[in-house]
Amino acid sequence: GAVVSQHPSRVICKSGTSVKIECRSLDFQATTMFWYRQFPKQSLMLMATSNEGSKATYEQGVEKDKFLINHASLTLSTLTVTSAHPEDSSFYICSARTPTSGGGNEQFFGPGTRLTVL
Amino acid sequence: AQSVAQPEDQVNVAEGNPLTVKCTYSVSGNPYLFWYVQYPNRGLQFLLKYITGDNLVKGSYGFEAEFNKSQTSFHLKKPSALVSDSALYFCAVRAVYNFNKFYFGSGTKLNVKP
Repeated sequence: GAVVSQHPSRVICKSGTSVKIECRSLDFQATTMFWYRQFPKQSLMLMATSNEGSKATYEQGVEKDKFLINHASLTLSTLTVTSAHPEDSSFYICSARTPTSGGGNEQFFGPGTRLTVL
Repeated sequence: AQSVAQPEDQVNVAEGNPLTVKCTYSVSGNPYLFWYVQYPNRGLQFLLKYITGDNLVKGSYGFEAEFNKSQTSFHLKKPSALVSDSALYFCAVRAVYNFNKFYFGSGTKLNVKP
């Protein structure tokens, strides 16, 4: 299957700093990538859909100025958590869908990034 | 609205016994259903999907799932559980109006004991 990587896998930062998380599709081109947030013992919550060459589409309740998404190329999307606060601590997971047609294509997930804001 | 429900937070089974992880869905139109597995501090791994056709879908690692339209269920099954199957399992349904949007269940923690 398609491989998606994330970097870093774990980051600890001080409150008020910004953190960038990278998501890469390693063996395919992903015109669309997705960013999820997962709280402990809870399901994934879709934050935004990242489209190459255009603005990201954010889900209701997600602050676009807080969570900046840039889909700079067909293999890279970045999520920047700006002015991070302890409540932003979470597990962030990206995914990508292969560009073949049809709605039955599964999403391929990255390994996730554990963000801890002190 | 689309949604999936996983009624069990946790399932415990002995190694070698069959396992079932339950999932029910609510969707207008034909559902596209998925199962994913998550190991600690890892992303989700795709197990199997139902789009159309045979109601019994076979996937990775010996897992299978049965689509039941009348009961709106898509339970995950395996004939003989392994300790290494212990993980968090998510059922998901794809939105009818948006190919990109997946709705995930709350997850079921599977514990397989030796």
